Amino acid sequence: EAEVAQSPRYKITEKSQAVAFWCDPISGHATLYWYRQILGQGPELLVQFQDESVVDDSQLPKDRFSAERLKGVDSTLKIQPAELGDSAMYLCASSLVGGSQYFGPGTRLTVL
Amino acid sequence: ILNVEQSPQSLHVQEGDSTNFTCSFPSSNFYALHWYRWETAKSPEALFVMTLNGDEKKKGRISATLNTKEGYSYLYIKGSQPEDSATYLCASFYSNYQLIWGAGTKLIIKP
Repeated sequence: EAEVAQSPRYKITEKSQAVAFWCDPISGHATLYWYRQILGQGPELLVQFQDESVVDDSQLPKDRFSAERLKGVDSTLKIQPAELGDSAMYLCASSLVGGSQYFGPGTRLTVL
Repeated sequence: ILNVEQSPQSLHVQEGDSTNFTCSFPSSNFYALHWYRWETAKSPEALFVMTLNGDEKKKGRISATLNTKEGYSYLYIKGSQPEDSATYLCASFYSNYQLIWGAGTKLIIKP
């Protein structure tokens, strides 16, 4: 069964460093989402792509976060510089337009 | 600002009992309503996607209905089991591609 791939699975970094996460969606899924999930809370949408275009990045802290999906397939989420409050699980999900989202295993980020 | 509301926020149910909870969403430009099951420390798992008014979906003991005219969906669980304990999230998708999540209903099944 096709799955959403994410790497790395775990990342420990010091504050003020740069980090990057990668996501490879299910083949054929035009919509890709990046979420941040703090323990005990629901997923918070950071950015949504439709193919290579950003549909919604209203919750993305643009002073330090950036996301791209240059060829409309895989995507990278970057944080520079990382802050202590960025420690969280970063989830990627993909879907057909309007369809159910399939989530990757996530990247657990710890900022020291 | 569009808002999706779920109620109740949390629910304690005795094992074997049936239960249901609600997702309310803005109906203008509506495209699809999603239900997800989310266990802590795991990724959300898709349960249903519904698009048409009157849609009903079923998966084992879990079922859902959709009313797009009044903007609500119900999720039903029949004969609750301990493994049903989770947070149930709904999300509403719109024709401008916007997706809005509810805050979830946390279900706890008491043995």
